[in-house]
Parts: sequence; C-alpha cells; structure tokens
Amino acid sequence: AQTVTQSQPEMSVQEAETVTLSCTYDTSESDYYLFWYKQPPSRQMILVIRQEAYKQQNATENRFSVNFQKAAKSFSLKISDSQLGDAAMYFCAPKGGSEKLVFGKGTKLTVNP
Amino acid sequence: EAGVAQSPRYKIIEKRQSVAFWCNPISGHATLYWYQQILGQGPKLLIQFQNNGVVDDSQLPKDRFSAERLKGVDSTLKIQPAKLEDSAVYLCASSLSASGLYEQYFGPGTRLTVT
Repeated sequence: AQTVTQSQPEMSVQEAETVTLSCTYDTSESDYYLFWYKQPPSRQMILVIRQEAYKQQNATENRFSVNFQKAAKSFSLKISDSQLGDAAMYFCAPKGGSEKLVFGKGTKLTVNP
Repeated sequence: EAGVAQSPRYKIIEKRQSVAFWCNPISGHATLYWYQQILGQGPKLLIQFQNNGVVDDSQLPKDRFSAERLKGVDSTLKIQPAKLEDSAVYLCASSLSASGLYEQYFGPGTRLTVT
C-alpha cells in the first residue's frame, strides 16, 4: 500500500519569490509515478507536474520543478517567481503500476502581493 | 476538447435520503474514477472503472454507495441512505487508461451537504 505525508499544512510566499512544498511517500512498487496536483479555491484539480520514478532527471514545467530523491522517498515541489494565481491547495500523489492514485492531505499555499 | 462534466454542482439532502451524481468523462477516456474529498483532506478513491468494468471498489461503502458505468461512457454514483459523514465533494475524473503514464482529468465536483 502507498502512503503520502505532506508535513506542511499551510505555506505562504511573497509574490515573485520561491517556495518549496515537501512530500514524502512510501510504496512497495519498483516502477511508479509521482504527481503534484493543484486545486484552486472552488476550481477544478489540475496536474502541475509528473515524475517517472525510473528517471533520474528532475521534472520541470516552466516555473515548477521537483526535487526527487528516490532513496529518501522524497518528492518536493519548487515554485519559482510565485504568482497570485499559484494560490491553491497542492496535493502530492504517488501511483504505482497497479496501485491507485493516493493523495496526501495537501498544503495550502498563500501568495502575498 | 470538452472537459469532465459533473452534475449537479451542489446538493443538500437530509440524512437517510437518497442522492445520485452524474459524470460524463472526456470522450475516448477508458478509465473513470469517483473520489470523495472531505473538507481539509485529499481526495480518496471510491471506485475505478475500466470501460464498463469495475477495477477497484475496495474503498466504496457498498452497504450504501453504488456506481455504474453501463455503456462505458458516463457514470452515476448513488448514495442510499445518506449519513451525515457523507458530506463531502464528490469528484469524477477520467484518463485514457489506468497507467500512471496518463494524466487524470478532474471534473468540477459535486458538493454534497447532508443535514
């Protein structure tokens, strides 16, 4: 079974600055994927970034990047040049080949102007 | 491309009443998911369909919840009878397949309040 821990219930960042959201997980699968999803207030959940566990290179999507430490089972999300529209709940979620997507409890990100 | 559609968006019922939610996934998506998201928590998978077959319903409270996807396209989730603890947002998602290679696309959700 997969477990996910997001140890930061809330984080805040100043506009244009950088923030890192933490996530640790556990899985018995050897081949799996890791996801960060964003859920803005009263809006739909959308995928922010995905990492394949077999890839050593950290995934990057524009201002979003991850720090994937496979041995430590850590998967943090870095948001650079934070914008007001980045304010949302962020969920970390691992998915093994045959396993369901398991979401953490989320981190609420506030962006201060 | 049209997204995942859900209705109704909001529903208020009394405990012991019945309620049904509808989901229409993105065209061509074989895999459909129903999640329950209680306030302050991440979504929890209730049931996963691959076409019209159930892949995973291990976390579905089968004494009161049921779901179907008869023609492998749209799906309904029913609660009968509802309890206070069923108050949550019910999210529908779809993907091309169940592999982690494919992104899950989420609908706007149905917010259920049980009084």
